[in-house]
Amino acid sequence: AQSVTQPDIHITVSEGASLELRCNYSYGATPYLFWYVQSPGQGLQLLLKYFSGDTLVQGIKGFEAEFKRSQSSFNLRKPSVHWSDAAEYFCAVGSNTGNQFYFGTGTSLTVIP
Amino acid sequence: NAGVTQTPKFRILKIGQSMTLQCAQDMNHNYMYWYRQDPGMGLKLIYYSVGAGITDKGEVPNGYNVSRSTTEDFPLRLELAAPSQTSVYFCASRTLYSDTQYFGPGTRLTVL
Repeated sequence: AQSVTQPDIHITVSEGASLELRCNYSYGATPYLFWYVQSPGQGLQLLLKYFSGDTLVQGIKGFEAEFKRSQSSFNLRKPSVHWSDAAEYFCAVGSNTGNQFYFGTGTSLTVIP
Repeated sequence: NAGVTQTPKFRILKIGQSMTLQCAQDMNHNYMYWYRQDPGMGLKLIYYSVGAGITDKGEVPNGYNVSRSTTEDFPLRLELAAPSQTSVYFCASRTLYSDTQYFGPGTRLTVL
């Protein structure tokens, strides 16, 4: 069965520090992978996605993620965090039919000055 | 271009009451989805639709019903509200040609 695991419930980083959010997935076929961000009281916004090709994908707001098939991982990174990056981050995997999506439980990011 | 809109933003129901959560999109998207988000649980798919007149169950459909009579609208119906349905509900849509989902702002529902 498809599933997504985000091991870190909450992460705190200093502004300007680098960030890595972990995501592991379980999926039988080639996965479609996504990272979404949710600001308080808002809906989800897509940061980036991976379908195929280059395993390092660039997204909006300076985020990138790397797909590692051998580790079943799709970790999100940012070289220098800004205070406005404080939010909830969700990793998701999509079925190859495109009909269903499975979300992780999210990682809450706090940025301290 | 309003994107995906949801009404109401907040609602309190008593056990056993019914209500309809409204979702509309103006992007001519084929696919529409309903999710619920419980604290610490991420998003769970309730129902989805691949086009007008076509709907299917997701992971957690029990206690809900949907219909899709038009491309634009995808209402979610709760017939007999239960405390377990207290959650934040998100509607999303996407085109046939892209897996990028566009989310509405959500409806926060409390059942007491």
